[in-house]
Amino acid sequence: GAVVSQHPSWVICKSGTSVKIECRSLDFQATTMFWYRQFPKQSLMLMATSNEGSKATYEQGVEKDKFLINHASLTLSTLTVTSAHPEDSSFYICSASDRKGRNQPQHFGDGTRLSIL
Amino acid sequence: AQSVAQPEDQVNVAEGNPLTVKCTYSVSGNPYLFWYVQYPNRGLQFLLKYITGDNLVKGSYGFEAEFNKSQTSFHLKKPSALVSDSALYFCAVSPASGTYKYIFGTGTRLKVLA
Repeated sequence: GAVVSQHPSWVICKSGTSVKIECRSLDFQATTMFWYRQFPKQSLMLMATSNEGSKATYEQGVEKDKFLINHASLTLSTLTVTSAHPEDSSFYICSASDRKGRNQPQHFGDGTRLSIL
Repeated sequence: AQSVAQPEDQVNVAEGNPLTVKCTYSVSGNPYLFWYVQYPNRGLQFLLKYITGDNLVKGSYGFEAEFNKSQTSFHLKKPSALVSDSALYFCAVSPASGTYKYIFGTGTRLKVLA
């Protein structure tokens, strides 16, 4: 149980385009989803916390107009990188937490490798 | 400021030997503690957690972790390492109040040598 599916796994696109990444909880309802960015050989950097039906909470230094997050249902959150540039190239990972409480682990997707040419 | 430390960037161990990956934390109250493993180009896989109770927690793939409240540590252990255990390991701490956010350690790369 507790499977999180992230799509796409890899995406390569031209500078200036927008890219949407989906994060789905397959077998549980996720009231809260998290979006992380991971640089090579580094830890995960939390970008934002996404709550179903409300606006996402962004971490300091993360541009909310650049990284649009939508959490329209209890099983789906999306991250859209708008007008992407090469410096946005990174590994993006989502995770989801179910409604049972903070003592339950976050469940992670397999990540999306984004390359901007 | 709250923080999680994984003091070793890399741990090398021979196959069949016991392994330890260290984690200490500086978080107020009684936080919840987690270990995750990451394989190349993959997300994080949950290994085990400590919420309350016995200080020795058993998890997936033969891993266990020892919670020490006085030392604010939560070291990951395995009695006999496998080459397939080679991966990146993250310690995460969830404060017992406030948001559900994790505070992650910087990660430790485990290399098990055949």
